[in-house]
Amino acid sequence: DGGITQSPKYLFRKEGQNVTLSCEQNLNHDAMYWYRQDPGQGLRLIYYSQIVNDFQKGDIAEGYSVSREKKESFPLTVTSAQKNPTAFYLCASRAGLINSPLHFGNGTRLTVT
Amino acid sequence: DQQVKQNSPSLSVQEGRISILNCDYTNSMFDYFLWYKKYPAEGPTFLISISSIKDKNEDGRFTVFLNKSAKHLSLHIVPSQPGDSAVYFCAAPWGSYNTDKLIFGTGTRLQVFP
Repeated sequence: DGGITQSPKYLFRKEGQNVTLSCEQNLNHDAMYWYRQDPGQGLRLIYYSQIVNDFQKGDIAEGYSVSREKKESFPLTVTSAQKNPTAFYLCASRAGLINSPLHFGNGTRLTVT
Repeated sequence: DQQVKQNSPSLSVQEGRISILNCDYTNSMFDYFLWYKKYPAEGPTFLISISSIKDKNEDGRFTVFLNKSAKHLSLHIVPSQPGDSAVYFCAAPWGSYNTDKLIFGTGTRLQVFP
């Protein structure tokens, strides 16, 4: 079954620690995205990548970093510089057709204390 | 600046009745819109879309209407079912092919009660 796998589903970290969220897709999609969901704020774009070895900042990239070394994988690192890291993180991908919809993973809930 | 707005954070509808979820946008250059449905602790799933060359698109119980002059779209669910209870997001793609991104509204939580 093709899809997007995010792991782990729940993640707990102490303040000041970097943490990496995994995202893998087997849909053969070129583009991948990271969104963050906070209550009352919808989905906000953190980073996206249209092709391997290339990525662009989204609207709220500060305190985050990504890499795209393989087509299937787009890990997100939440660094200690991110002021409010506790959130629900969603990874998505889409085919390279214009207006094609995003396919989302089931998310990772990160709690930083 | 919130380019895609969903001004109703929640909506409660009786089973069998119509649910109408609204979405407004500010950027007149948007030419395509999508609706997503999201259950708690899951990723959103694509529901239905509409191109700006149309004013209506229908898929089973779901119909999306687009009013370009008012910069407004709405999602109608008829008849509503308890399984429709979820958060609904409208979204619009923006940017060129190499830099496109999907801009989401803040969502409307729909509750369908028996």
